[in-house]
Amino acid sequence: DGGITQSPKYLFRKEGQNVTLSCEQNLNHDAMYWYRQDPGQGLRLIYYSQIVNDFQKGDIAEGYSVSREKKESFPLTVTSAQKNPTAFYLCASNTGNLQGRGNTIYFGEGSWLTVV
Amino acid sequence: DQQVKQNSPSLSVQEGRISILNCDYTNSMFDYFLWYKKYPAEGPTFLISISSIKDKNEDGRFTVFLNKSAKHLSLHIVPSQPGDSAVYFCAAKGRWTETSGSRLTFGEGTQLTVNP
Repeated sequence: DGGITQSPKYLFRKEGQNVTLSCEQNLNHDAMYWYRQDPGQGLRLIYYSQIVNDFQKGDIAEGYSVSREKKESFPLTVTSAQKNPTAFYLCASNTGNLQGRGNTIYFGEGSWLTVV
Repeated sequence: DQQVKQNSPSLSVQEGRISILNCDYTNSMFDYFLWYKKYPAEGPTFLISISSIKDKNEDGRFTVFLNKSAKHLSLHIVPSQPGDSAVYFCAAKGRWTETSGSRLTFGEGTQLTVNP
């Protein structure tokens, strides 16, 4: 089955630690995204990548880093510089190809990160 | 600057009645709008979309209306069912550019509760 797989589902981080959230897609999508959801708030864009080896900051990129070495993978690292990392993180993808406009974005199941 | 706003954080309706979820936007460059449905601890799933060249799109019990002059869209669900209880996000996409690609801007979400 095609889809987006995020892991782990639940992750606990100690203060001062970096953690990496995995996102893998087998939809052959060019574009991938990381969103964050906080209680009572909408989805805010952290980083996005339209093509392999290229990515751009979203609206709340501070304290995060990403890489896009492979088309199917877009890991997100939450660094110790992120002041309020506890949130629900969502990875997404769509075609977003360079020849035309992208369409519907598809989401993974999400990862809960809690700082302890 | 919140470019997509859902001013009602919650909505409660009786089963069988109509649910109307509203969304306002400020960016006139948005040309495609989507609605997503989200259950707790899961990723959002695509529900319905509308292009800016249309004013209505219908899919079964779901209809989205777009009023470009008012920069307003709404999602109608009729008849509402208890299984429709979820958070509904409105999202908007601007015209494709090499920089922005197909990124979506989301509203804050509206929690819909359909009572049996």
